[in-house]
Amino acid sequence: GAVVSQHPSRVICKSGTSVKIECRSLDFQATTMFWYRQFPKQSLMLMATSNEGSKATYEQGVEKDKFLINHASLTLSTLTVTSAHPEDSSFYICSARDPIGGFYGYTFGSGTRLTVV
Amino acid sequence: EDKVVQSPLSLVVHEGDTVTLNCSYEVTNFRSLLWYKQEKKAPTFLFMLTSSGIEKKSGRLSSILDKKELSSILNITATQTGDSAIYLCAVRGSDLGTGNQFYFGTGTSLTVIP
Repeated sequence: GAVVSQHPSRVICKSGTSVKIECRSLDFQATTMFWYRQFPKQSLMLMATSNEGSKATYEQGVEKDKFLINHASLTLSTLTVTSAHPEDSSFYICSARDPIGGFYGYTFGSGTRLTVV
Repeated sequence: EDKVVQSPLSLVVHEGDTVTLNCSYEVTNFRSLLWYKQEKKAPTFLFMLTSSGIEKKSGRLSSILDKKELSSILNITATQTGDSAIYLCAVRGSDLGTGNQFYFGTGTSLTVIP
């Protein structure tokens, strides 16, 4: 089945630095990938939709200059948290739409735990 | 290797049917199991289960955890077309050194036909 690999699984960084998170589709081409952030009470918020070869579409309230998304190939999307602050500490998850799975064919990465100190 | 496996991968039922979705896991230092419903923009949180044998219920949906079997089921009774979605299972594990880690299953795609 479709597999999405997310790396790193955990990262700790200093305040003010930038962190890059990778999301790769291992055995399928994903023209669209999605980035989520987890909030208290287990809710997941969609941050942006990443489209291969074009600019990402950000959800309302998400700072595009702070959360840089690049989808340079059909198998890789990256999320860069720039000038990270402690309030950016969270769990970030990506997913990719597996074309074989049809409309509901989302496959999730294992997530990245970001801790900003 | 830590993993979460959901079954079936997809399911098609008629309105009014009852469905049972399965989630099994092998996760280090299990802390909780979560069920989500994915329809549009982001998965909607349904349940969090931490204790074995205690059923959680919300309307026509219910879920229970079996820590001995390392599994959980999500039941939906009297299904409606609006229940059509992907149902995701996620397990939170714990690494003593770095904190929580989530593991997602690949989801079960449910289609309810009128």
